[in-house]
Amino acid sequence: DTAVSQTPKYLVTQMGNDKSIKCEQNLGHDTMYWYKQDSKKFLKIMFSYNNKELIINETVPNRFSPKSPDKAHLNLHINSLELGDSAVYFCASSQDYQGYQPQHFGDGTRLSIL
Amino acid sequence: GDSVTQMEGPVTLSEEAFLTINCTYTATGYPSLFWYVQYPGEGLQLLLKATKADDKGSNKGFEATYRKETTSFHLEKGSVQVSDSAVYFCALSEWTNTGNQFYFGTGTSLTVIP
Repeated sequence: DTAVSQTPKYLVTQMGNDKSIKCEQNLGHDTMYWYKQDSKKFLKIMFSYNNKELIINETVPNRFSPKSPDKAHLNLHINSLELGDSAVYFCASSQDYQGYQPQHFGDGTRLSIL
Repeated sequence: GDSVTQMEGPVTLSEEAFLTINCTYTATGYPSLFWYVQYPGEGLQLLLKATKADDKGSNKGFEATYRKETTSFHLEKGSVQVSDSAVYFCALSEWTNTGNQFYFGTGTSLTVIP
């Protein structure tokens, strides 16, 4: 029944490693997003895809690369992890890309860099 | 550019107290406005929304009115419960000729004590 699911829930790894976070939605939405939430709960959009096409690409290091194999999935790959990448990453989806409809969020992936 | 300014927390209230969390925004056009709630360890969930001036969003006893003249979308509840303890986010989305704009406030942590 989970609408937006992300895996893994926790990710602990060392600096310099490469890791991926997967996201799937079963709501039939066309648009998916990745957000980063820092330790002070500040939430910032990173990417947005509509029907597998990138439509928002905020100022994010190019070590972060989203991939959308189909409109139900949006994965996030991170190369050469740095200490500052430690955060909670949220995937979300919505019916429209214009932003009139609300977003549905996953439970987050807590990334900790040692 | 667009932005959302939200009342800083944390806020601590006794059960059955009246709640107001202030939110003001800046936007170039006519954004949609949202309140999301985040319970510990979970993703954000839509609480309520309003898409045009003077609209009132309401859900679970919470209300917010889209006030264009004061660029505000304050969240209110007449009688809070312990189960309302969470972090509340005001958010804005706007579709412009340069693309989507999505902004979240910094979040307000609410603790309700019995």
